[in-house]
Amino acid sequence: KQEVTQIPAALSVPEGENLVLNCSFTDSAIYNLQWFRQDPGKGLTSLLLIQSSQREQTSGRLNASLDKSSGRSTLYIAASQPGDSATYLCAVMGTTDSWGKLQFGAGTQVVVTP
Amino acid sequence: DGGITQSPKYLFRKEGQNVTLSCEQNLNHDAMYWYRQDPGQGLRLIYYSQIVNDFQKGDIAEGYSVSREKKESFPLTVTSAQKNPTAFYLCASFGLAGVPGELFFGEGSRLTVL
Repeated sequence: KQEVTQIPAALSVPEGENLVLNCSFTDSAIYNLQWFRQDPGKGLTSLLLIQSSQREQTSGRLNASLDKSSGRSTLYIAASQPGDSATYLCAVMGTTDSWGKLQFGAGTQVVVTP
Repeated sequence: DGGITQSPKYLFRKEGQNVTLSCEQNLNHDAMYWYRQDPGQGLRLIYYSQIVNDFQKGDIAEGYSVSREKKESFPLTVTSAQKNPTAFYLCASFGLAGVPGELFFGEGSRLTVL
């Protein structure tokens, strides 16, 4: 059974520092991996989706890498801002899963202090 | 604006009562999902439906029921058989013609059992 782990569970950085968030998964037979952002009491917003054949995806200050063989993904957020404070979740879709059946990590709660 | 609407946002229930959470989407998406989120845990799949009048159990379906009579609607009933229903419930949808796994989420419903 696929297990997705995110370490650390919480992270606090001063404004301007780069953020590095980690995600690991136990089964490398994935179709894709996705990073989401969740604000307190809100739903999830997709940030980046990396197909299994890709090594990385970029959007603005966000860059996500994927190393399928080692079961790892990293989300980099450059020059963090207080508005980046949120919980970040990663999720994988397995090659044998029906579309939309994602396995989620528990998330990393990020606080960016001014 | 296209999106997913969940209601109510907050719901309180006495033990032994059934409650129904509403999820409506106007994205013309084929597939819809219900996830449960507990503090410190990743999202877990309750039920999903890829076509009208058909649905499948997810990983934690016991104590829940769903229906899919219309493409736009996928209500979730939390029955009295659910032993620990207090949680944050998230509805999501996906267009089968879209990128596999790219789910769109509603804003969630928080259920508290008194």
